[in-house]
Amino acid sequence: GDSVTQMEGPVTLSEEAFLTINCTYTATGYPSLFWYVQYPGEGLQLLLKATKADDKGSNKGFEATYRKETTSFHLEKGSVQVSDSAVYFCALKRSKLTFGKGITLSVRP
Amino acid sequence: GAGVSQSPRYKVAKRGQDVALRCDPISGHVSLFWYQQALGQGPEFLTYFQNEAQLDKSGLPSDRFFAERPEGSVSTLKIQRTQQEDSAVYLCASSLAVWEPRNEQFFGPGTRLTVL
Repeated sequence: GDSVTQMEGPVTLSEEAFLTINCTYTATGYPSLFWYVQYPGEGLQLLLKATKADDKGSNKGFEATYRKETTSFHLEKGSVQVSDSAVYFCALKRSKLTFGKGITLSVRP
Repeated sequence: GAGVSQSPRYKVAKRGQDVALRCDPISGHVSLFWYQQALGQGPEFLTYFQNEAQLDKSGLPSDRFFAERPEGSVSTLKIQRTQQEDSAVYLCASSLAVWEPRNEQFFGPGTRLTVL
């Protein structure tokens, strides 16, 4: 069945550092890929998405590229801020969403 | 309202009690999903509806779990004879349609269930 694997966390960075969060998936066909974010005390929010191979999703300075050949959708940001501290979930979608375990990012001032 | 709402936000139940969790989707959204999120884990699919039809309930962990959406709008997730392992956050999400994989699912704030 479908599955999503995220790198182990938590991750702690200093402000303005470069961020990479790895995500790989297992699925048949061509699912859509998503990154969701959960800020402290808030619900899940869509951060970005990509619907086909080589698509790049981007939002709020975050980017991720749908790599079919490596079945990956790694999340990157060039300069993180304290306000980026949250839990990040990678997910794939056909009808339902299949999520990874999530990773907690803490950004220090 | 503008978003998905869920009630109650927090529920404490004694083991063996029945609970009912409510979800109000975004107006006009055809599809409604329930997910279960255990502590420190990602959400896991429970069931989904297209209008009033329950099209997939493969994620329901046991026959103690039951979901309905009788008029194609509000949905209720019922858990009978709650067990400690049912403690989790229950998330509801809605979207315009199911079969379009690009459609975004909008999530509610969740109901945190604690079974003592």
